[in-house]
Amino acid sequence: GQNIDQPTEMTATEGAIVQINCTYQTSGFNGLFWYQQHAGEAPTFLSYNVLDGLEEKGRFSSFLSRSKGYSYLLLKELQMKDSASYLCAVLDSNYQLIWGAGTKLIIKP
Amino acid sequence: GAVVSQHPSWVICKSGTSVKIECRSLDFQATTMFWYRQFPKQSLMLMATSNEGSKATYEQGVEKDKFLINHASLTLSTLTVTSAHPEDSSFYICSARDHVASGDPGELFFGEGSRLTVL
Repeated sequence: GQNIDQPTEMTATEGAIVQINCTYQTSGFNGLFWYQQHAGEAPTFLSYNVLDGLEEKGRFSSFLSRSKGYSYLLLKELQMKDSASYLCAVLDSNYQLIWGAGTKLIIKP
Repeated sequence: GAVVSQHPSWVICKSGTSVKIECRSLDFQATTMFWYRQFPKQSLMLMATSNEGSKATYEQGVEKDKFLINHASLTLSTLTVTSAHPEDSSFYICSARDHVASGDPGELFFGEGSRLTVL
């Protein structure tokens, strides 16, 4: 079966750095996405990785290792507004998006 | 980025009534739209894939007679929850891909979501 694992909840301090991991086992791979979702709102796109390596976009970076079936989202200089759920999703061989359950990130002052 | 508009944002209805939710792509044509349901503290669950001009493809376990999907144009898909019951109360979200503008094969643009409460 297809499976995406990410931690259920993480806590970090304002101004710090946090890394949210995602491991996946899917039938085929056409890229991995990270989305941010604030409570009661729709997800918003953060990043897309299809090749191995690190993609940096401002305070957010996303890393992919296809051989390990592993990705992480790195958030730097955390702000209170970063408190949200972060969803990892993989595009499989049929171009279907397989979603992780999301990681709820709690930022403390 | 592309814009997807969903309406209504909130709806409260009595048990047994039907509710229609609209999903529009405002600045691009979407041959395919996706309908998701999300229960509290859970991830998105794909309900069905809506295809313009043809029948929707439903995921396993989703009742197609209960969740009617119509994708009559390249910019509009509707989800109708028929004979709604309290267990149908959830957050319903639509999304679409802008194949022309997006460099990614799968970046999804989401509507704002519709929170349905069935009394």
